[in-house]
Amino acid sequence: EAQVTQNPRYLITVTGKKLTVTCSQNMNHEYMSWYRQDPGLGLRQIYYSMNVEVTDKGDVPEGYKVSRKEKRNFPLILESPSPNQTSLYFCASSDRAGNQPQHFGDGTRLSIL
Amino acid sequence: DAKTTQPNSMESNEEEPVHLPCNHSTISGTDYIHWYRQLPSQGPEYVIHGLTSNVNNRMASLAIAEDRKSSTLILHRATLRDAAVYYCILSDYNFNKFYFGSGTKLNVKP
Repeated sequence: EAQVTQNPRYLITVTGKKLTVTCSQNMNHEYMSWYRQDPGLGLRQIYYSMNVEVTDKGDVPEGYKVSRKEKRNFPLILESPSPNQTSLYFCASSDRAGNQPQHFGDGTRLSIL
Repeated sequence: DAKTTQPNSMESNEEEPVHLPCNHSTISGTDYIHWYRQLPSQGPEYVIHGLTSNVNNRMASLAIAEDRKSSTLILHRATLRDAAVYYCILSDYNFNKFYFGSGTKLNVKP
């Protein structure tokens, strides 16, 4: 089954403790992206990747890092999480050919205390 | 400032058409218009996208104003399964950067 898988689905942690949210897709998609969703604000793009080793900033990249060493994986790293990064996070992927639609994961809810 | 503006909520009766509006007055000439929808506890799901001409697919139709400053998502016969938050989104021409609106929550009454 074609899917985008995020782990963990839920995490409660403390300020300053480094964490990584993993994202993996099994569709051989070149493009991957991370979003955060906050009440009343819709989704905001954090980072995106057009292919392996090619990443770029979205609208709200501050406080986040990403890497794309393999085509299927696109982890989101919070080096020193802060309470304002408490949010619902979504990973998405798409095929670059013909500007195809994005497929989204089911989300990761992060709470930073 | 938000690139797209949508009503917070709308209501429809089952099996009637629904017109969901979106304003994007600062759209550039090469920006695409997309619509996704999100059911509770799920990630967004693609609905439709277009550049200048109106578009139809099995889920919906997208009507784009001639000046491209607004668009309308049309669900031809709403069902209870169509109750969701609908997002109007702009992207650059290469589908790299995406800007979501705050969404319209559609309630469908039986």
